[in-house]
Amino acid sequence: AQKVTQAQTEISVVEKEDVTLDCVYETRDTTYYLFWYKQPPSGELVFLIRRNSFDEQNEISGRYSWNFQKSTSSFNFTITASQVVDSAVYFCALRPIIQGAQKLVFGQGTRLTINP
Amino acid sequence: DTGVSQDPRHKITKRGQNVTFRCDPISEHNRLYWYRQTLGQGPEFLTYFQNEAQLEKSRLLSDRFSAERPKGSFSTLEIQRTEQGDSAMYLCASSLDTVAEKLFFGSGTQLSVL
Repeated sequence: AQKVTQAQTEISVVEKEDVTLDCVYETRDTTYYLFWYKQPPSGELVFLIRRNSFDEQNEISGRYSWNFQKSTSSFNFTITASQVVDSAVYFCALRPIIQGAQKLVFGQGTRLTINP
Repeated sequence: DTGVSQDPRHKITKRGQNVTFRCDPISEHNRLYWYRQTLGQGPEFLTYFQNEAQLEKSRLLSDRFSAERPKGSFSTLEIQRTEQGDSAMYLCASSLDTVAEKLFFGSGTQLSVL
């Protein structure tokens, strides 16, 4: 069975602060994908990133960075110099790399509020 | 607008009634997915289609739920004899099978069962 835990239900910071969203996962699969999605107030989830389990290199994209640590089963997401537009619910998700497997398992989400 | 389109955006129904939702994926996407999201939770997988074939169904999809994608384009999700526990946001997503892990989601249909 797979499980994704986002222990932080809500985070509130002041604009320009850095903020890290935690994600811990459980899986028996040896290869898998990890994802982050953003859900703004409009409701549609927006894909942010996908990582393969066999690639532990951290990734940076502008103000966003992701820290994947297989040893601790974590895939944390950091926003540097946060902006009001970053306010949304963020979901971490997992999917095994198995032929035919398409089910994404999502965490409960972290509601991020950036205050001006 | 070339994104994933869902109709209606909101549906209020009485317990016991049948409801049907429609999803129009991005035109060149051959994979289509249905997820359900309740308040304060992450989306839960319901089912997915590769073209017109329904290839995977969650145990969440009871016999009151049925999904179709008759011509491999739009899809419908029908719930028969609705129950209050069916109240949720029903999300549709689509993807290319060559980049299957990158899903594009619609804004969802919010169902309220009274």
